[in-house]
Amino acid sequence: LAKTTQPISMDSYEGQEVNITCSHNNIATNDYITWYQQFPSQGPRFIIQGYKTKVTNEVASLFIPADRKSSTLSLPRVSLSDTAVYYCLEAGTYKYIFGTGTRLKVLA
Amino acid sequence: NAGVTQTPKFRILKIGQSMTLQCTQDMNHNYMYWYRQDPGMGLKLIYYSVGAGITDKGEVPNGYNVSRSTTEDFPLRLELAAPSQTSVYFCASSYLETDGYTFGSGTRLTVV
Repeated sequence: LAKTTQPISMDSYEGQEVNITCSHNNIATNDYITWYQQFPSQGPRFIIQGYKTKVTNEVASLFIPADRKSSTLSLPRVSLSDTAVYYCLEAGTYKYIFGTGTRLKVLA
Repeated sequence: NAGVTQTPKFRILKIGQSMTLQCTQDMNHNYMYWYRQDPGMGLKLIYYSVGAGITDKGEVPNGYNVSRSTTEDFPLRLELAAPSQTSVYFCASSYLETDGYTFGSGTRLTVV
């Protein structure tokens, strides 16, 4: 059961772009990379998923290099309400293991 | 759509008691998962199921049991509650294992 590695915490100011990187040293060929957001006392919420290159939705962008050994979640112009824990996950056969998460604190 | 529904939301158990945490999804998802989250920590996978009748252990299965008799339901059983099982339990589901998961709102369990 492979695990990902990501920074424990990050601080940012409102209006800035935030990039959170996750390492995927043991990612399998068929795995997708998925990111989740969790607020206190709530279950995680799916943000974005990708396999290779770049994916963008209304909330975030996800950058995955060609070797797929890392992924970067990009949150444009964060606000105070983006303060949360962000998890990366390798979604694939018999995986389902979350990393420790990155605690993002957005400051006014 | 209700999504993933967990009951109860809160429960206090005495050491040695048993209980079942209920999880139901109405999205016809094949995959279901149970996680626990200790205060200030990440999620640990307890058990998962790839379809009705099929379950398997995750990272921390000791002290728990599961069953998956239907696609919709994936109950988690604690047989002899211990203080170390004090945690928040989340159930999740997905249609494919490569899809994003839908999580329930959690069950906060305290064992005293």
